[in-house]
Amino acid sequence: GAVVSQHPSRVICKSGTSVKIECRSLDFQATTMFWYRQFPKQSLMLMATSNEGSKATYEQGVEKDKFLINHASLTLSTLTVTSAHPEDSSFYICSARDRGETGELFFGEGSRLTVL
Amino acid sequence: GENVEQHPSTLSVQEGDSAVIKCTYSDSASNYFPWYKQELGKGPQLIIDIRSNVGEKKDQRIAVTLNKTAKHFSLHITETQPEDSAVYFCAGLSGGSYIPTFGRGTSLIVHP
Repeated sequence: GAVVSQHPSRVICKSGTSVKIECRSLDFQATTMFWYRQFPKQSLMLMATSNEGSKATYEQGVEKDKFLINHASLTLSTLTVTSAHPEDSSFYICSARDRGETGELFFGEGSRLTVL
Repeated sequence: GENVEQHPSTLSVQEGDSAVIKCTYSDSASNYFPWYKQELGKGPQLIIDIRSNVGEKKDQRIAVTLNKTAKHFSLHITETQPEDSAVYFCAGLSGGSYIPTFGRGTSLIVHP
């Protein structure tokens, strides 16, 4: 299947700093990428839908100024957690939809963020 | 919008037994149903999917069945192995937006 690369896999930062997570589709072009947050032993919670060249669509309750999403190219989307606080600590996962396929989603390996 | 219910939340089986995980969905317009396997600390991995124009799909020890009338679909794993232990998520996607709605997940434990 298609490959989605997510980096970094783990990041530890101090409270108040910003952290950027990258999501790349390695062997296909992704017009749409999704960002999820996952709490321990829970399902994936959709944070936002990222479309190449346009502003991201955020789910209700997700602060767009806190979680900045940029989808500048067909293979790269970034999530920046701004002014991170301990409650932002979580597992963040991106997924990408293959441009040529309908419905098939491929996930990155996830990024574990720990805010001290 | 779509609502996907997944059962059971935990499933414990002996190695070699079969495991079945069931999901129901609410949106009759949903037409694509993937299953994902998530190992600890990793992202979900697509293991099998089915579209609404077929009733069953099989890939070695894994199969998925779809009942459109009853609006439910199931994951079947035969001859389970310890490495099958993981959390499995079902999802439903409605035509048009293709934003998936995930089930709550099933923790499968295969005892050697």
